[in-house]
Amino acid sequence: KQEVTQIPAALSVPEGENLVLNCSFTDSAIYNLQWFRQDPGKGLTSLLLIQSSQREQTSGRLNASLDKSSGRSTLYIAASQPGDSATYLCAVGSNYGQNFVFGPGTRLSVLP
Amino acid sequence: EAGVAQSPRYKIIEKRQSVAFWCNPISGHATLYWYQQILGQGPKLLIQFQNNGVVDDSQLPKDRFSAERLKGVDSTLKIQPAKLEDSAVYLCASSQGRGRGKERTEAFFGQGTRLTVV
Repeated sequence: KQEVTQIPAALSVPEGENLVLNCSFTDSAIYNLQWFRQDPGKGLTSLLLIQSSQREQTSGRLNASLDKSSGRSTLYIAASQPGDSATYLCAVGSNYGQNFVFGPGTRLSVLP
Repeated sequence: EAGVAQSPRYKIIEKRQSVAFWCNPISGHATLYWYQQILGQGPKLLIQFQNNGVVDDSQLPKDRFSAERLKGVDSTLKIQPAKLEDSAVYLCASSQGRGRGKERTEAFFGQGTRLTVV
């Protein structure tokens, strides 16, 4: 059974810092991995999706990497802004049904 | 392109009552998911449809939860009777579910329905 963990659970940084969010999963037989952002009281917004054959994906100030063999993914946020404050969720897509197993999330606060 | 639509946004019911949630996925998306998100946790899959067939309902509490997607488009999730521990946000998501590449499985989520059982 796939299990997904995220470290840290919460993070508070001053504006402008570069930061790294970590996601670990127990079963390396994955189809893909998707990073989401969730604002309080809202649904999930897709940020990046990495296929199992890829090593990384980039969108603007965001870069996500995937190391299947070690069961890890990182989300790198460059030059953080207060608008980046949200909960970031990592979701691992299975090889079989292509549904997602989510981690518990990292709650990020970027202080002005 | 319209996103995933869910209603209602909020619902408060007493325990042992019944409740139903509705979801309309992105047009053309074959795969539809219902997730339950308890406060402070990541979403947990309840059921996954491919068109109008069930792909995975292994974590759906079938004694009280039911879901259907009769015409392969919109879907309803029902809870009867509700328990206090069902208080959560119920998220609907969809993906293309066909073709190649990331478009096949990239999931898009609705705003969710926040259920409070008192």
